[in-house]
Amino acid sequence: GENVEQHPSTLSVQEGDSAVIKCTYSDSASNYFPWYKQELGKRPQLIIDIRSNVGEKKDQRIAVTLNKTAKHFSLHITETQPEDSAVYFCAASKQGGSEKLVFGKGTKLTVNP
Amino acid sequence: KAGVTQTPRYLIKTRGQQVTLSCSPISGHRSVSWYQQTPGQGLQFLFEYFSETQRNKGNFPGRFSGRQFSNSRSEMNVSTLELGDSALYLCASSVLGYEQYFGPGTRLTVT
Repeated sequence: GENVEQHPSTLSVQEGDSAVIKCTYSDSASNYFPWYKQELGKRPQLIIDIRSNVGEKKDQRIAVTLNKTAKHFSLHITETQPEDSAVYFCAASKQGGSEKLVFGKGTKLTVNP
Repeated sequence: KAGVTQTPRYLIKTRGQQVTLSCSPISGHRSVSWYQQTPGQGLQFLFEYFSETQRNKGNFPGRFSGRQFSNSRSEMNVSTLELGDSALYLCASSVLGYEQYFGPGTRLTVT
């Protein structure tokens, strides 16, 4: 089955710096890749997603890139702020219909003021 | 629109008991998925329901079961609880499986 590897497991940056989180997936049939942000004690929140027919997607300070050939995708956060501190999860699924989301283990991002 | 809701939010049970958790999806969402979140294993898929039919199931023992009602509300049941079942149980709803929105979760503690 699908396996998603996520790196790094922890990431500490200074406010204003950029942060990059990388994920690799094993199943070449996967075609939907969402990213979730989970603050302590709260539910995972969908922050951005990308489908396999797109190479890059941006939403303000957040961007996701997808390399289907290499089977990896990355989350880029620019101009980080303390409120960006959270655990970020990547996930992958096939077709986005009945297929399950397979999650990475998460990256704990700390933005230091 | 109201978000995904889950009840109860917290639950303490003893080994051997059974438990039922409830999830109400966003209005109009017909797909409901369940996930188990633990510090060691992360987020793991349990099962997914669409229009009252289970369409997909993860690698969990048969003690974990679920169902969906005609109004898209879903329940999951865990029988013969074990200590290792202690976790945050999250449900997520979506229109067609893309863009899954999570509920706040039910924190289950098994003693």
